[in-house]
Amino acid sequence: QKEVEQNSGPLSVPEGAIASLNCTYSDRGSQSFFWYRQYSGKSPELIMFIYSNGDKEDGRFTAQLNKASQYVSLLIRDSQPSDSATYLCAVISGGYNKLIFGAGTRLAVHP
Amino acid sequence: GAVVSQHPSWVICKSGTSVKIECRSLDFQATTMFWYRQFPKQSLMLMATSNEGSKATYEQGVEKDKFLINHASLTLSTLTVTSAHPEDSSFYICSARPGSMNTEAFFGQGTRLTVV
Repeated sequence: QKEVEQNSGPLSVPEGAIASLNCTYSDRGSQSFFWYRQYSGKSPELIMFIYSNGDKEDGRFTAQLNKASQYVSLLIRDSQPSDSATYLCAVISGGYNKLIFGAGTRLAVHP
Repeated sequence: GAVVSQHPSWVICKSGTSVKIECRSLDFQATTMFWYRQFPKQSLMLMATSNEGSKATYEQGVEKDKFLINHASLTLSTLTVTSAHPEDSSFYICSARPGSMNTEAFFGQGTRLTVV
């Protein structure tokens, strides 16, 4: 079982719709969770981080964390074509000083 | 956010030669830096965790004698790919964390290595 799992996609949504990206993790001791966005040929850029159960909102982005179910999600409201990228879920492995990435979900927002 | 600078952004080298990649945290001290490798259309694979003043911790399957990591100061870590081969061609990315274990990591721009 991979430590961090994501659906590779592509996830295709129309412009203006809500994009929902999901991620599950295996280490129950993990405490910190991150969403990064990566454009082709570029390094990842941080979108959001979340530490506590529940929702965290930042502009058009909402991260949701459920530690009991070991999943974290990212909602993108009012999706724009510029949001088209690969979204990487990352988890700090509990007890270890490592940031582990999922395989990423490719999002395509079409006009 | 914090700034991490990686150099060079791309390099082409001949098979058998060595290549050094630098990763600098410009506006913060990074006790820990991470080195990742990313092949096309794949995710970031953690190669090693670099701790200032001590030996790097390598992930399973990563050859420590081939990928030499030095973290001599709180703002600089280097990755040297020794005796590079075409299969080492990849996108190498460093990241650094400015604070405690649970803070976010910031990434360098990445280095695209092509071995011919």
